[in-house]
Amino acid sequence: QSALTQSASVSGSPGQSITISCTGTSSDVGGYNYVSWYQQHPGKAPKLMIYEVSNRPSGFSNRFSGSKSGNTASLTISGLQAEDEADYYCSSYTGNTWVFGGGTRVTVL
Amino acid sequence: QVQLVESGGGVVQPGGSLRLSCAASGFTFTRHAMYWVRQAPGKGLEWVAFIGHDDGTNKYYADSVKGRFTISRDNSKNTLYLQMNSLRAEDTAVYYCARAAFYAFDIWGQGTMVTVSS
Repeated sequence: QSALTQSASVSGSPGQSITISCTGTSSDVGGYNYVSWYQQHPGKAPKLMIYEVSNRPSGFSNRFSGSKSGNTASLTISGLQAEDEADYYCSSYTGNTWVFGGGTRVTVL
Repeated sequence: QVQLVESGGGVVQPGGSLRLSCAASGFTFTRHAMYWVRQAPGKGLEWVAFIGHDDGTNKYYADSVKGRFTISRDNSKNTLYLQMNSLRAEDTAVYYCARAAFYAFDIWGQGTMVTVSS
């Protein structure tokens, strides 16, 4: 149950697009289409942003999109806004267990 | 509205026990599997345990807690539990309960803090 690998931090200016990557193995990210992404603001509970690699919960902003290629999943935030500054975590089903990434701090410059 | 509210956190000595509860409301509890997830201070998220939606026959645990923690549910009370025994300093964290949907964690509680310290 090793954590998925995420870059520690990503930054961008308002209006720009950024991409956060999440690398696992064929036993987790590469083996299942059950990758999800979470946004967490300081002191708050995480919030689901993307499930099943690329699906958004109803009512959620379409500025957030997900994809996957091989053992690496990605979250893209387009039209970056100040309120997007937060920590982002990926997660994958691994066959009766789940694993999270270490988290990526997104900074809006 | 859909809501999960954790309780039962606190300070406990190493080797001690604690039981966390998670009260669910606003949705049909029996239709959803549930999770516990924790977050050590300043650290990332760690999946802890899973329980199936029905009588809880299906239960899975992270290696780090297997044999020490037990997840359970009382569908008549719409409540999820986590019994934590043989607690260690490294179990210190905010513990969240979360609802399962599409193999993801779609609704989260506000969390309850557990501190293991002498």
